[in-house]
Amino acid sequence: EPEVTQTPSHQVTQMGQEVILRCVPISNHLYFYWYRQILGQKVEFLVSFYNNEISEKSEIFDDQFSVERPDGSNFTLKIRSTKLEDSAMYFCASSGRNQPQHFGDGTRLSIL
Amino acid sequence: QKEVEQNSGPLSVPEGAIASLNCTYSDRGSQSFFWYRQYSGKSPELIMFIYSNGDKEDGRFTAQLNKASQYVSLLIRDSQPSDSATYLCAVWEGAQKLVFGQGTRLTINP
Repeated sequence: EPEVTQTPSHQVTQMGQEVILRCVPISNHLYFYWYRQILGQKVEFLVSFYNNEISEKSEIFDDQFSVERPDGSNFTLKIRSTKLEDSAMYFCASSGRNQPQHFGDGTRLSIL
Repeated sequence: QKEVEQNSGPLSVPEGAIASLNCTYSDRGSQSFFWYRQYSGKSPELIMFIYSNGDKEDGRFTAQLNKASQYVSLLIRDSQPSDSATYLCAVWEGAQKLVFGQGTRLTINP
């Protein structure tokens, strides 16, 4: 069964550094998403992406965040200058039109 | 921001019994509802989705939707220890954005 893949599984970064989280969505999906989950809290929506542009973003997704689909397969989330409070699990998801979203295994981001 | 509410549990059920998980949502206009299972330290895994009032069955799982009362539930029949996990209720909002509840932690006791 096709799946969403994310790399790396764990990223440790110094505060203030840039980090890029990578995702390969399911190949025939057209809608891509990033969510995050701080330890012990709800899964929170960050951003959705369709047709090479952002469809919707949350209040969390401020100017420090950006997304990109640099080629036909990858979907990336960049955090420009990381803060301690960015420590969380980051999940990429993808879906077809009006179809349920399928999640990758996540990247655990630890900011020191 | 639409709200999705779940009892955080823990909900403890003996093996072989029916586990019943409930979720309420704030927006009467919501149309699409999802149940995800999340094992500790893992990602959400889609279990069921339901769009229409009534019941939808898939193996040991049944999703129930009541739009008038704004609740959606998940029944797990013949509960197994491997069903022990956190169950997340989610509602579609806007451009396919999912709004999640805080999850109900379910423990199946052998």
